[in-house]
Amino acid sequence: KQEVTQIPAALSVPEGENLVLNCSFTDSAIYNLQWFRQDPGKGLTSLLLIQSSQREQTSGRLNASLDKSSGRSTLYIAASQPGDSATYLCAVRLRNQGGKLIFGQGTELSVKP
Amino acid sequence: GAGVSQSPRYKVAKRGQDVALRCDPISGHVSLFWYQQALGQGPEFLTYFQNEAQLDKSGLPSDRFFAERPEGSVSTLKIQRTQQEDSAVYLCASSAGTANNYGYTFGSGTRLTVV
Repeated sequence: KQEVTQIPAALSVPEGENLVLNCSFTDSAIYNLQWFRQDPGKGLTSLLLIQSSQREQTSGRLNASLDKSSGRSTLYIAASQPGDSATYLCAVRLRNQGGKLIFGQGTELSVKP
Repeated sequence: GAGVSQSPRYKVAKRGQDVALRCDPISGHVSLFWYQQALGQGPEFLTYFQNEAQLDKSGLPSDRFFAERPEGSVSTLKIQRTQQEDSAVYLCASSAGTANNYGYTFGSGTRLTVV
């Protein structure tokens, strides 16, 4: 059974710091891995999607990497801002299961001004 | 519409009451998913539709949970005889297809509290 784990569960940093969020998964038979952002009381916003054949994706200050063989992904946020405060979720899409996503439990990020 | 719309946003139900949660996906999206998110946890898969066909309901926690999408657009998640452990945010997502390059659009969810 695929399990997705995110470390740390919570993180508080001062504004301007670069930071790394970690995600690990137990079964490497995935189509892709996605990072989402969730603000309190809101739905999920997709940030980056990495296909299983790719190593990384970048969008603005965000960079996500994927090492499928070791079952790991990292989300790197450069020059963090208070507006980055949110819960970050990673999710893997399983092969041959119609698009179902398996989520980690999330990392709650707080960026202090 | 421009996004996935869920209603109601909040629902308080007395234990034993039946509830119905509605999801309006993006027009034309063939795939629709329901997820349950407990406080402090990531979303957990409940069920998946492709058009009107329910292709996977393996995540429904009990036979008190029932989902339908009769015309391949709007979907309803029904919970019968609600219990306190059903308290959670119920998220709906839609996608234009099932190929692995299609993204997902999530609604804001319905927060269900069973008292």
